[in-house]
Amino acid sequence: EAEVAQSPRYKITEKSQAVAFWCDPISGHATLYWYRQILGQGPELLVQFQDESVVDDSQLPKDRFSAERLKGVDSTLKIQPAELGDSAMYLCASSPGQASYEQYFGPGTRLTVT
Amino acid sequence: DQQVKQNSPSLSVQEGRISILNCDYTNSMFDYFLWYKKYPAEGPTFLISISSIKDKNEDGRFTVFLNKSAKHLSLHIVPSQPGDSAVYFCAARVYGGSQGNLIFGKGTKLSVKP
Repeated sequence: EAEVAQSPRYKITEKSQAVAFWCDPISGHATLYWYRQILGQGPELLVQFQDESVVDDSQLPKDRFSAERLKGVDSTLKIQPAELGDSAMYLCASSPGQASYEQYFGPGTRLTVT
Repeated sequence: DQQVKQNSPSLSVQEGRISILNCDYTNSMFDYFLWYKKYPAEGPTFLISISSIKDKNEDGRFTVFLNKSAKHLSLHIVPSQPGDSAVYFCAARVYGGSQGNLIFGKGTKLSVKP
């Protein structure tokens, strides 16, 4: 069964350092999402891509976060500089298209900022 | 302003009995509602969904009920099994224009006791 791949699974970094996460969606899925899940909360959307274009980044803290999906396939989410409050699970999800309501999630990257 | 609310952080049920997880919402524009299941250190897994034009959807042991007038949905698991122990997230989608992302509740941790 096709799955969304994410790496690394765990990341520990010091405050003010740069960190990057990678996501490979299910093959053929045009829509890719990055979510952040803080402990005890539900996932919250950071950015949504349709192919290589950003369609919603209204909740992305653009002063420190950036995301790209250059060839419309895999994607990278970067944080620079990391802050203590960025400690969370970063989840990537994909769906066949914007009209599809089902999203398939990867295993996530657990980020700890010290 | 929480648009999707899961007011019970946890629920404990005996194996073989019914588990009922509840979710309330405020936005009348949601067109699909979904339930996701999440084990520790894994990403959410899609469980079952319901369109806003339906009032019930059933899939094996899982049934979701939607009461639009009350803006309330519930997930019934019958019979409950120890493997059902996980965090369950209610999610809702507003679709229109470029927006097709999901809004999640905070989750309910279900424990099924043998």
